[in-house]
Amino acid sequence: TQLLEQSPQFLSIQEGENLTVYCNSSSVFSSLQWYRQEPGEGPVLLVTVVTGGEVKKLKRLTFQFGDARKDSSLHITAAQTGDTGLYLCAGARRDDKIIFGKGTRLHILP
Amino acid sequence: DTGVSQNPRHKITKRGQNVTFRCDPISEHNRLYWYRQTLGQGPEFLTYFQNEAQLEKSRLLSDRFSAERPKGSFSTLEIQRTEQGDSAMYLCASSSQWSGGRGTQYFGPGTRLLVL
Repeated sequence: TQLLEQSPQFLSIQEGENLTVYCNSSSVFSSLQWYRQEPGEGPVLLVTVVTGGEVKKLKRLTFQFGDARKDSSLHITAAQTGDTGLYLCAGARRDDKIIFGKGTRLHILP
Repeated sequence: DTGVSQNPRHKITKRGQNVTFRCDPISEHNRLYWYRQTLGQGPEFLTYFQNEAQLEKSRLLSDRFSAERPKGSFSTLEIQRTEQGDSAMYLCASSSQWSGGRGTQYFGPGTRLLVL
């Protein structure tokens, strides 16, 4: 069974601090997506990474896909209270089936 | 708004009743997925359609669950004889088969089901 392990499961930090969350698997994915989900809402796509070693930036968020396409990281610089939410990574297999991690619940304190 | 839509957003029902949820995907997407999400967990795959064909069903999808996509556009998910354990958020997502293997799925807002 393919698994995506996300760490940490929970993270609570002060506004203005930097943080990194990780998504790891023993399997290779054709692409990997990061989503953010707020309570009572569906996941909202943040980014798709496709190429091993790829780095994408979305304002204060930096996403990296591992060289072997088995892992990914999300780094947030100068976190804001609006960044609070559940961050999900999802790996796409070649047949386009998506495997989800359990998520990292991020809470930014004012 | 051309995103994925789901109705209803919330449903409260009594144990034993049947419920039906609807999903309207992004119009140019031919793949449609149903997931279930419980508190503190990531989405769990239930089933998916390519056009009108149901190509895969999870073992999570008991015989009380049925999904249809008769014309390859909107889909319905029906749960018969609901149980309290069915209480969850039901998410629908869509994607394009021709996305070049990227597999990016776009989610609707979900239907939150509470079975009393």
